This record gives sequence, structure tokens and C-alpha cells, in this order.
Amino acid sequence: KAGVTQTPRYLIKTRGQQVTLSCSPISGHRSVSWYQQTPGQGLQFLFEYFSETQRNKGNFPGRFSGRQFSNSRSEMNVSTLELGDSALYLCASSKQGGGYEQYFGPGTRLTVT
Amino acid sequence: QKEVEQNSGPLSVPEGAIASLNCTYSDRGSQSFFWYRQYSGKSPELIMSIYSNGDKEDGRFTAQLNKASQYVSLLIRDSQPSDSATYLCAVIANAGKSTFGDGTTLTVKP
Repeated sequence: KAGVTQTPRYLIKTRGQQVTLSCSPISGHRSVSWYQQTPGQGLQFLFEYFSETQRNKGNFPGRFSGRQFSNSRSEMNVSTLELGDSALYLCASSKQGGGYEQYFGPGTRLTVT
Repeated sequence: QKEVEQNSGPLSVPEGAIASLNCTYSDRGSQSFFWYRQYSGKSPELIMSIYSNGDKEDGRFTAQLNKASQYVSLLIRDSQPSDSATYLCAVIANAGKSTFGDGTTLTVKP
């Protein structure tokens, strides 16, 4: 079974721009969660989507948003990029979410200059 | 107090020894507990999940959960140099929100 895929793998953006990251979950998984990982803050939960609905949200500003499509693929958008948004963005998929095992994709390394 | 705390590292053990990694959590309503292994430059890889009190064994790995004391641990028996990585403890509360610890870096010396 194919794993979680994320595109692009690497991205360089300028402060003030916006960015969209994509995640395709494992086949049959309906939950997709997004995380931000930085050396200083560790792995921080952004949000979880299940059946096209945002089910949980972390403590991030409204510049961070996401959506999920009917095929369970998910996108995450960050608007008005700040230098502090430079991080590894990880997507994880789960059969049901809400406490089930999550499997991570390879991540998207975002650098904001 | 952090929601999920892991024993501060780095932790260094000789090859063949038992490595013990600990994690405490603050939300008594937490129901699901996971251990992930993350190699440098890679994404986290799920190695163990545990949902009820007691021990759960999978090969050289044993996860232990004590909800009354709010701690979960991971034992790695017969540690190998390939086990050298950062180990992340993850806790999911009733609301379904995932919280990760900062991780413990393990080095297994040949």
C-alpha cells in the first residue's frame, strides 16, 4: 500500500507571499492532520480534517488554513508568510482520526526569506 | 507545565543494552498513546501504539501505560546502533487533538 505523499518536498518563498501544500493520504484513510515542526517548538498540531470537515484545530493564527477534498486529499494554505513560518510541514493520515494511529508523509520543507 | 513531557536527553546506551524512554502527560482524559521514531532529516515513523493500562510488546519494543500515574514509557531491548534516533511521545485526548512531546534523542554506541 502506498504511503502518505506530500508535494512539493521543498519550497522557498518570500515574506508576504502565500503558499499551498498538498497531501495525499494512504488509500482508505479518511483523516488528515497537519503539523508544523521546528527545532525550537517541536511538533505542533495545526488541524485535522475528516470527511471534508475540520474536526480539530491547534493554536495557530488564521493565516493557516486547510481543506479536504472528497477523495480525502488535503491542502494547507499559509497566507502572508512570515520568517517564523519556516519549518517542516508534515501531514499524517489515519483511518478514522480521533485517536487512531497516524502515519506521516515525508513533509514539505518551507523556507521563508 | 507542558501537556506532554519526555525525559530530557540525550540518552546514550551501549549496544545490546536496554534503553528506557519516559513520557508524562497532563490531560487525564487522554485515551490514545503513541511512540514515534524520527531519524535526522526524516519524518516520524510510528513504532508503537497503546490504549489500555499495562504492557504491550512488539519485537524488541515494549510500551507501558499507567493512566493513574499519567505516564507512558518505551523500552527498547537489545539496543542496536540503528535505533539511534529521536523518539517522540504522542498523546491524543478525548477531543481528538494530538499533542507531541519534544522528543528524546537516543544514541546507541557500538
